[in-house]
Amino acid sequence: EADIYQTPRYLVIGTGKKITLECSQTMGHDKMYWYQQDPGMELHLIHYSYGVNSTEKGDLSSESTVSRIRTEHFPLTLESARPSHTSQYLCASSARRVGGYTFGSGTRLTVV
Amino acid sequence: KQEVTQIPAALSVPEGENLVLNCSFTDSAIYNLQWFRQDPGKGLTSLLLIQSSQREQTSGRLNASLDKSSGRSTLYIAASQPGDSATYLCAVKKQGGSEKLVFGKGTKLTVNP
Repeated sequence: EADIYQTPRYLVIGTGKKITLECSQTMGHDKMYWYQQDPGMELHLIHYSYGVNSTEKGDLSSESTVSRIRTEHFPLTLESARPSHTSQYLCASSARRVGGYTFGSGTRLTVV
Repeated sequence: KQEVTQIPAALSVPEGENLVLNCSFTDSAIYNLQWFRQDPGKGLTSLLLIQSSQREQTSGRLNASLDKSSGRSTLYIAASQPGDSATYLCAVKKQGGSEKLVFGKGTKLTVNP
């Protein structure tokens, strides 16, 4: 079944650690996105990609980085995690133009 | 700049009631509008997708309408159930460039048994 997968679902990690949040989709969508959402707050776009080897920063400044080496894979990396990075990270993909968005289940990150 | 507003911010209704959630947007240059449901601490589940050329979409007890010229959409939920309790998000897909979704802040719905 075509879908979008995020791992891990939950992550608790110490300050200063490097982490990678995984996102993969099996729908062949060109466009992929990362959103950040604090509890009870709205979603903010932090990164997006038009396709392989294309990445752009979103509306909300983020210390994270992303890569897009394969169409189906769009990982997000934090080189040195800090408590201010504690949040939920949601990955999404979309077909061009008239396609809707499909979201993953999210990764809830806690940095202690 | 596209802005999306959802009214009300929160709504509490008794089970069985029909209800309407409202969404408005400022820029009509959109490809589509999508309604999502989000349960606490979870990801987003797509409920309905309306293309800019369409007027409404229906799925089960849900009906969403779109009036692009006036920048408005409504989500109608018939015969509400406690399991419908969640936050409902409206989002428009901008034309051009990133084709990013612009979200409203959501309506938190509570259906009481």
